[in-house]
Amino acid sequence: GAGVSQSPSNKVTEKGKDVELRCDPISGHTALYWYRQSLGQGLEFLIYFQGNSAPDKSGLPSDRFSAERTGGSVSTLTIQRTQQEDSAVYLCASSKQWNEQFFGPGTRLTVL
Amino acid sequence: GEDVEQSLFLSVREGDSSVINCTYTDSSSTYLYWYKQEPGAGLQLLTYIFSNMDMKQDQRLTVLLNKKDKHLSLRIADTQTGDSAIYFCAESGGYNKLIFGAGTRLAVHP
Repeated sequence: GAGVSQSPSNKVTEKGKDVELRCDPISGHTALYWYRQSLGQGLEFLIYFQGNSAPDKSGLPSDRFSAERTGGSVSTLTIQRTQQEDSAVYLCASSKQWNEQFFGPGTRLTVL
Repeated sequence: GEDVEQSLFLSVREGDSSVINCTYTDSSSTYLYWYKQEPGAGLQLLTYIFSNMDMKQDQRLTVLLNKKDKHLSLRIADTQTGDSAIYFCAESGGYNKLIFGAGTRLAVHP
């Protein structure tokens, strides 16, 4: 079946602009996660959604970052006033059971 | 705090076994994971082990867990060029997130 999809696959933006990254989880998966992978580093947790519960935003690095999940399915990660240090690959994952997360291909964000 | 560490690079000859090591700090982690990332691709879940197990084998993959030393390893038997990738160790930081190491780049040469 279809896996987690993310769009766009690549995004180049200018410093100070806002960007939106999209994630379509696997159908039927109630949990959705966003991670960030900076060059040469492991993945950093950003935010977690589970059903209708309030999201866990403890990993968001600043108030320029926000995310929403509409209808318990698609999620959008928004970065306002982008900075060069925001350049990274943003990965989305979904799970049906909390111990198995399936990842999308990621969005590579480059801030010039 | 929570931390996962791995060596950054491993080079092996095709046909040999590869052993990738990882240490973690959170003794309350319920599950420990190995993910594989090929160039330009997302993370692929390879295998995971429940914290009350010592070993798990799945075809060419063997996971060993030493809970006392908080040490996890992944052995790949008969390593092939298609195994070249970055391998990430991760621990479950509660129900809502995974804590990843920086990844070990495995290079397989003829």
